[in-house]
Amino acid sequence: AQTVTQSQPEMSVQEAETVTLSCTYDTSESDYYLFWYKQPPSRQMILVIRQEAYKQQNATENRFSVNFQKAAKSFSLKISDSQLGDAAMYFCAYRSAAGNNRKLIWGLGTSLAVNP
Amino acid sequence: GAGVSQSPRYKVAKRGQDVALRCDPISGHVSLFWYQQALGQGPEFLTYFQNEAQLDKSGLPSDRFFAERPEGSVSTLKIQRTQQEDSAVYLCASTSRFATSGGTGELFFGEGSRLTVL
Repeated sequence: AQTVTQSQPEMSVQEAETVTLSCTYDTSESDYYLFWYKQPPSRQMILVIRQEAYKQQNATENRFSVNFQKAAKSFSLKISDSQLGDAAMYFCAYRSAAGNNRKLIWGLGTSLAVNP
Repeated sequence: GAGVSQSPRYKVAKRGQDVALRCDPISGHVSLFWYQQALGQGPEFLTYFQNEAQLDKSGLPSDRFFAERPEGSVSTLKIQRTQQEDSAVYLCASTSRFATSGGTGELFFGEGSRLTVL
């Protein structure tokens, strides 16, 4: 079975600085998708960034980028120029690309505080 | 609607009561998911619909949990004889499609229904 591990329960960053959130996963599959979701206090999950495992190039979305290391099964999120609105829970998630398997497998999350 | 709508946002039930949680997905979205998120945890998959067909219910924790989506739009998650361990936030998500190959199919989440069982 696949698992997702986020080893940092809490992180903090100064406004305008850069922070990296860690995520590792375990799978025997070769084709899958990885995601970072943001969950603010309102509880609504918002997709931050996604990565297809077959792509070697790391995904980027504006201030958000990932460091995807397939061999190491590592998928970290880098937030540049942190803003107060980035404060939230961040979840790493995995989804198989096989067949009809649509469910996401989630880590426990990292709570990010942004200090002014 | 503009987004995924869930109701009620908060529900307090006495142990043993039945509850029903409603999810209104984005109009036209084919796929609908239910997840359970206990306090301080990541979400856990419960069940998945494609249109009105329930394709995966492997995450439902017991036969007290039942989900339906009879017309392929609104979905209801029903929990019978609630127990304290059912206390959690129940998240609904929808997506427009999954391509034949699976696709990334971005999920759009509602704000969740927080269930507290006393």
